[in-house]
This record gives sequence, C-alpha cells and structure tokens, in this order.
Amino acid sequence: EAGVAQSPRYKIIEKRQSVAFWCNPISGHATLYWYQQILGQGPKLLIQFQNNGVVDDSQLPKDRFSAERLKGVDSTLKIQPAKLEDSAVYLCASSFGWRRGGGRGSYEQYFGPGTRLTVT
Amino acid sequence: QKEVEQDPGPLSVPEGAIVSLNCTYSNSAFQYFMWYRQYSRKGPELLMYTYSSGNKEDGRFTAQVDKSSKYISLFIRDSQPSDSATYLCAMTRAGAGSYQLTFGKGTKLSVIP
Repeated sequence: EAGVAQSPRYKIIEKRQSVAFWCNPISGHATLYWYQQILGQGPKLLIQFQNNGVVDDSQLPKDRFSAERLKGVDSTLKIQPAKLEDSAVYLCASSFGWRRGGGRGSYEQYFGPGTRLTVT
Repeated sequence: QKEVEQDPGPLSVPEGAIVSLNCTYSNSAFQYFMWYRQYSRKGPELLMYTYSSGNKEDGRFTAQVDKSSKYISLFIRDSQPSDSATYLCAMTRAGAGSYQLTFGKGTKLSVIP
C-alpha cells in the first residue's frame, strides 16, 4: 500500500514570498489533515478535510494560509505571504475517517514525510 | 496549562535498558490515547493505542493509561539502538465526525549500543 506522498520535501524562501505544498493521501482515505510541526514541538493541526469539505480550520491563520482539497483526493496548502515564524515542517496525514463503531481504522492517521520550510 | 504535557528530554539509555516515557493531560474528555514514533526527517507513525484506562502490550512495548490521574506511559523493554527516535503522545476525544489529535511535544530517545 502506497503511503502519503508530499512534495516538495524541502523549501527555502524569503519572508513575504509565497509557497505551496502538495499532498496525495492514501487511496480510499476520506479524511485529510495538515499539521505544522515547529522544531521541538509536537504537530499542531491546521486544517482537517472530510472528502472535499472542511471539518475544522479553527487553527489555520486565514490571513496568510489557505488550503483546498479538490475532488476529495489531493490537497494543497499555501502560505502567502510567508513570515519567519512559519519555518516548520508541514505534515500531511490521512485516515479512513469517522465510521460507526469507531475503532482504530477511524482514528489512525498515516503521516507523510513532511515538507521542511525555511523562511529567511 | 497546555492540554498535553510531555518532557522533551533528551533521554539517553544503554542498550537493553527499560525506558519509561510519560505524558500528563488536563482534558478529561480525552478517551483515545496513542503513542507515535518519529524518526529524524520522517513523519510520525502510530506505535500503540489504548482506549480509556488500562494496559496494552505489544512485543517490547507496553502502554498504560490512568485516567484518574490523567497520566499515560509507554514502556520499552530491552531497548535497541533502532528505538532511537522521538516519541510523541497523542490523544483525542471520542465523537462523531472527527478524531482530532492533540500531541505532546515529544521525547527524544537515544539508545546507546
């Protein structure tokens, strides 16, 4: 089974520039998450999609961050304009999503390798 | 107070040692508790999960949850150099439609041969 794919793996930009990250989840996974992981911290959820609809974007800085998931499969996360404090690893994760009866299949999230962003 | 507290370490142990990793949390609504392992420059991978209180064992790994104390632990027996990684605790509320994870900071573990 192919895992979660992300690109690019590394990106260096100057502040005020824009950047976009791409994620391809595991086939059949309805739920897709974008996390921000700052060095020395745990991942922090930015946005959650269920199919192509947004479930939660309460922690997404909407003045500069945007995300979309067209056709309920691939997703892109964009930052415009970038700030120094956006330097982090951006992780994409996917899961089967909520199912009646719960269970590991509902909540187990599979993570991609991440995109390491450096803003100078 | 953060919802999930985890000592970031670093923790360095000799090969073969028993490792104890811990997290505390403040939100009594959390019901699913997980441990993720993250190797350098990789994404986290699910290692263990527990629903509500109790123990769960999987090979050299044992996860414990004490909801009365809001305290979870991961024990690694006969630690190996390949166990060197950052261990993240994570937890979520049970609820229809979403299983959003709240992570600890992670504890960086080094197992010295």
